[in-house]
Amino acid sequence: AQSVTQPDIHITVSEGASLELRCNYSYGATPYLFWYVQSPGQGLQLLLKYFSGDTLVQGIKGFEAEFKRSQSSFNLRKPSVHWSDAAEYFCAVGGTGGYNKLIFGAGTRLAVHP
Amino acid sequence: KAGVTQTPRYLIKTRGQQVTLSCSPISGHRSVSWYQQTPGQGLQFLFEYFSETQRNKGNFPGRFSGRQFSNSRSEMNVSTLELGDSALYLCASIRSIDVNEQFFGPGTRLTVL
Repeated sequence: AQSVTQPDIHITVSEGASLELRCNYSYGATPYLFWYVQSPGQGLQLLLKYFSGDTLVQGIKGFEAEFKRSQSSFNLRKPSVHWSDAAEYFCAVGGTGGYNKLIFGAGTRLAVHP
Repeated sequence: KAGVTQTPRYLIKTRGQQVTLSCSPISGHRSVSWYQQTPGQGLQFLFEYFSETQRNKGNFPGRFSGRQFSNSRSEMNVSTLELGDSALYLCASIRSIDVNEQFFGPGTRLTVL
């Protein structure tokens, strides 16, 4: 079955520290992979996406993610976290070939200490 | 370019009532998906529409329905509301069916009393 696992429900980091949010997926075909961020009471904002090609993808707000097929992982990273990064982060996997359903992980809530 | 618009933003209903939520996608986008977000179940896919046709449907009861109009605007309807239908309903705008890149609206917060 198709699924996405985000092992960390909550993560707390200090401002300026580096960040890595983990995401593992199970998908039978070549997946499209996404990271979204959601601030309280808001919708989802697309941070970055992986469709094919270079396995290290750059996104907005200084985020990057690396696709590792052998580990079925798509971890999100940021070298230096800002207080404004506090939010909930969702990893998602979607199909190709016109199958647009997204399957989301449970999310990781990030808290940033000053 | 304007983003995805969802109306209303907040809604309070009582059990047994029905509700209609609206979504206007980004101009030029022809596909719309709907998702339900709850604390317990997370983000779950409801359905997807393209050119007024439902292409995919999630695992929700028949009380949940939707449609898309010729201008790509979409509505979803929930009949006979239950307490468990309280959720944030998110609409996503998709540029084309060949590129699965979804842009989400701010959502409609539905509270069922």
